Amino acid sequence: GAGVSQSPRYKVAKRGQDVALRCDPISGHVSLFWYQQALGQGPEFLTYFQNEAQLDKSGLPSDRFFAERPEGSVSTLKIQRTQQEDSAVYLCASSSRAGTTDTQYFGPGTRLTVL
Amino acid sequence: AQSVTQLDSQVPVFEEAPVELRCNYSSSVSVYLFWYVQYPNQGLQLLLKYLSGSTLVESINGFEAEFNKSQTSFHLRKPSVHISDTAEYFCAVIKGGSYIPTFGRGTSLIVHP
Repeated sequence: GAGVSQSPRYKVAKRGQDVALRCDPISGHVSLFWYQQALGQGPEFLTYFQNEAQLDKSGLPSDRFFAERPEGSVSTLKIQRTQQEDSAVYLCASSSRAGTTDTQYFGPGTRLTVL
Repeated sequence: AQSVTQLDSQVPVFEEAPVELRCNYSSSVSVYLFWYVQYPNQGLQLLLKYLSGSTLVESINGFEAEFNKSQTSFHLRKPSVHISDTAEYFCAVIKGGSYIPTFGRGTSLIVHP
């Protein structure tokens, strides 16, 4: 497809379960970002990949959050032992170049609800 | 740390009326400024951006924003809104030397017929 896709679009998890959220960036895009968007808030940065290298993970809220992009394309955000405060929309964005102010193209997000 | 303030959480207007969505940011030596729009059930889309040069930037659908360094503002304006402009609008700032945006909490523009 032409845009960034994310799956699943909706995920309901029981507290304590592990979840994995997938992002398919635009083909050939070097940069990939993950954001967390709580209800009524703007997106907040979680982590950044340049190809397969995770260059910045300063926004990950705890060591329960883990992200990877092993082949420099698809990325997975994993949350272990989910908590209610993890409920949010998780957004993925990609841009064509590395470390610049290039336009970021966002996916539709995955809405995670932790019961 | 950079911060972005969008004072208005909701802005209701009538169709064909003008609108201004306000955005202020904490000062920095240099910044790059963005407005994103999010339609229901869709991802954020870039509306317009200021990187350098002319302080007035325009989008293809009639929105414009002006970078005001002295007031640390980047307000978004449109002289005549349409029903289809109903959406959530986010202002974002990237500090010079960085590539990570800081977003405001968003303003919901609601256009009534």
